[in-house]
Amino acid sequence: GAGVSQSPRYKVAKRGQDVALRCDPISGHVSLFWYQQALGQGPEFLTYFQNEAQLDKSGLPSDRFFAERPEGSVSTLKIQRTQQEDSAVYLCASSLAGRGTSYEQYFGPGTRLTVT
Amino acid sequence: QKEVEQDPGPLSVPEGAIVSLNCTYSNSAFQYFMWYRQYSRKGPELLMYTYSSGNKEDGRFTAQVDKSSKYISLFIRDSQPSDSATYLCARANFGNEKLTFGTGTRLTIIP
Repeated sequence: GAGVSQSPRYKVAKRGQDVALRCDPISGHVSLFWYQQALGQGPEFLTYFQNEAQLDKSGLPSDRFFAERPEGSVSTLKIQRTQQEDSAVYLCASSLAGRGTSYEQYFGPGTRLTVT
Repeated sequence: QKEVEQDPGPLSVPEGAIVSLNCTYSNSAFQYFMWYRQYSRKGPELLMYTYSSGNKEDGRFTAQVDKSSKYISLFIRDSQPSDSATYLCARANFGNEKLTFGTGTRLTIIP
């Protein structure tokens, strides 16, 4: 079956622009995660949804970052007034919820954001 | 101190060698441990997971966890050029799904 898909794959934004990054999780996966990966680093947790509920947004670096998943499927990560330090790969992952299965997170290919 | 420490490498070994990749962690809560492989410009791919001390084997890969010393390892036997990638260790607390990753070790297998 289809894996996690993300669009766009690459995005160049001028400083101050708003961007929206889309994630399509694996069909039937209840949990959805966003991570940020800087060059040469491991992914860093941003936020987590279970269905449409955002259960943890402790990793969002500022109030310029906003995520939503209104129907419990597709999710959008929005960054307002982009800054150069926002340049990174944004990864989306999904998993089946429930004890013993949630650690199996399946990642999409990521969106590489470059802010100039 | 980062929750998960990993030597970033790079690490280069000849084809056929045994590769040892290691991480240490600082949080003692009951938790799961994972190894992901990430090829250039791709998303991480789950290789193995475990939640108990000891070894877990899957083909050429063996994951080892030592909770007493807070040390996790991944061994790759009969390494192949296709194993060249960045290997990420990660942990998650039971009941909290977010993953905490190490920085990743960049591995190159030389033909």
